[in-house]
Amino acid sequence: EDQVTQSPEALRLQEGESSSLNCSYTVSGLRGLFWYRQDPGKGPEFLFTLYSAGEEKEKERLKATLTKKESFLHITAPKPEDSATYLCAVQGGQGAQKLVFGQGTRLTINP
Amino acid sequence: KAGVTQTPRYLIKTRGQQVTLSCSPISGHRSVSWYQQTPGQGLQFLFEYFSETQRNKGNFPGRFSGRQFSNSRSEMNVSTLELGDSALYLCASSPFFGVSTGELFFGEGSRLTVL
Repeated sequence: EDQVTQSPEALRLQEGESSSLNCSYTVSGLRGLFWYRQDPGKGPEFLFTLYSAGEEKEKERLKATLTKKESFLHITAPKPEDSATYLCAVQGGQGAQKLVFGQGTRLTINP
Repeated sequence: KAGVTQTPRYLIKTRGQQVTLSCSPISGHRSVSWYQQTPGQGLQFLFEYFSETQRNKGNFPGRFSGRQFSNSRSEMNVSTLELGDSALYLCASSPFFGVSTGELFFGEGSRLTVL
């Protein structure tokens, strides 16, 4: 059974203090690993797709990396508007959009 | 371009009742998935529809059902509601089926409270 574990559950940083969020996964036949951002009261918003080990994607202050067992979301010099829950998900199997999500990391950036 | 629209946004039901939630995907999107989000279990896959056919189903009891119409709009139904069904129900659309882009477009959800 596909599983995703995210750590830490919650992270509080000062503005400008860089850090990383971890996503460990087990999946048979990884078709893709995905990062989403969710703000309170909203649905998740897509950030990145990673397909193979060694791949990296960047968007503004966020950078996602992938190994064979885990993914990291690096946040460089974060701002208060980066505060959100960050969700990691994997997709396996054939012919389906089904995603298996982790529990998320709740990130708070203090000004 | 309008996003994914879910109705109603909030609703309160009592145990034993049934509920129907509606989802209008982004125009041109033919795949619609439903997820349940709770504080304890996180986001869990319910089912996926493409071209009016259920293509995949998660590990939920038969009380949870859904359908998709020819215009790609989707509904999900929960019968004989239980307290544990209280959750945020999220609908997500995608233009494709079977392509691992992972880019699902989520609505804001329907928050169901069962008393």
